[in-house]
This record gives sequence, C-alpha cells and structure tokens, in this order.
Amino acid sequence: GQQVMQIPQYQHVQEGEDFTTYCNSSTTLSNIQWYKQRPGGHPVFLIQLVKSGEVKKQKRLTFQFGEAKKNSSLHITATQTTDVGTYFCVMNSGGYQKVTFGTGTKLQVIP
Amino acid sequence: KAGVTQTPRYLIKTRGQQVTLSCSPISGHRSVSWYQQTPGQGLQFLFEYFSETQRNKGNFPGRFSGRQFSNSRSEMNVSTLELGDSALYLCASRVQEVNEQYFGPGTRLTVT
Repeated sequence: GQQVMQIPQYQHVQEGEDFTTYCNSSTTLSNIQWYKQRPGGHPVFLIQLVKSGEVKKQKRLTFQFGEAKKNSSLHITATQTTDVGTYFCVMNSGGYQKVTFGTGTKLQVIP
Repeated sequence: KAGVTQTPRYLIKTRGQQVTLSCSPISGHRSVSWYQQTPGQGLQFLFEYFSETQRNKGNFPGRFSGRQFSNSRSEMNVSTLELGDSALYLCASRVQEVNEQYFGPGTRLTVT
C-alpha cells in the first residue's frame, strides 16, 4: 500500500533558526495536505497543495509540492517557540478519501 | 460554529471489554472519519462515514466498527479490547467536497 515517509523524525532547533521537513510518497499524489499537532492537542489543517511544483506561503511557512507530485516540503523561517509541535503531511487516495498520514516530524524549539 | 466534540475524553477499560466512543461533527459536515494515534504507529486511519454509509476503511481488525446516524453524529466501537488498543482516538469531520478536516480533541483510551 501507499507509504508516506517524513524526515526527519525529530528536529531540535534554536529559536530563530530555520526548519524543514520533507515528505516522500512511493506513488504519485493527486494532492497533499499539511497539519500541525501541538503537544497534547489535535491535528490542525495548515494547507493543501494540488499542482505540480506548487509553492504556497503562510507568513513564515513555505510549502512546496514536487514537480513529480511524489514529494513535498514544509519550511519554517526563523522558528519561534509557538512553532513547537508535530507536522504531518497527509495524502488522500481513492475516490472516497482513504487518508494516509505521514510519519510526522516533531519540532522542538529551544528558546 | 461549535467544533467537533468527542465523548468521553478519557476512558479506562479492562482487556476483553468493549467500548463505544462518540463524535459530533461540525454542523453541516456530513463526513466523519476516525483515527487511532499511538506513539509507535502514529496516526492511522480507521474509517470514514458519509451519509450513514462507510465509505472507506483502514487496515484494522473487525473488532473495530463504526456507524453514523442521520444527524451525522458517529460512534465507533471496539470489542474484545486488547492492551494494544490503548491509544488516542481522534474523530474528524469535513465537508465532502473539501479535503480539509477538522479534528476533535480525542478520546484517550487506556486498556489495562
């Protein structure tokens, strides 16, 4: 079945440093979403990417969909302590939304 | 609008028992999905319901089942509980035409 690997699994950064997480699929994706889960919280939708090579920005967050639509990345510029959490990429397959969450990248920001 | 609500928030059960968890979606959302989250396996898709019909199912044994009512509220049931069923069970709702899901706070199930 489909697998969605994320790297790294964990990342500790000093506040102000940049952070990037990568998501790789074994199959071509129709779209990909990103979610953030704060410690003790539930996943919260961040964004969806649909087009090959698409780049979207949300303030300090930049999301990119690969040209082959098999990988995606999330880059955070100048991390803040509010960025702490686990970031998941999510893909859908099939006509009725069989959902696969990536393995997640847990970000810790050291003040 | 009120968010997705899940009850109960915490539950302790014994091996062999069964459990029923409840989820009320955001008003107007007819799709409800259930997920299991554990430290070892991450977030895994259980099933999705839309208009009282199961539309998709993940790779879980038949002990895990669910249903959806005409008001879109959903329940999931786990029978013959095992220690490995200890997890955070998350429910998410969405508008059918949109992939964005809204998650509830989850039910923390502990099986002893």
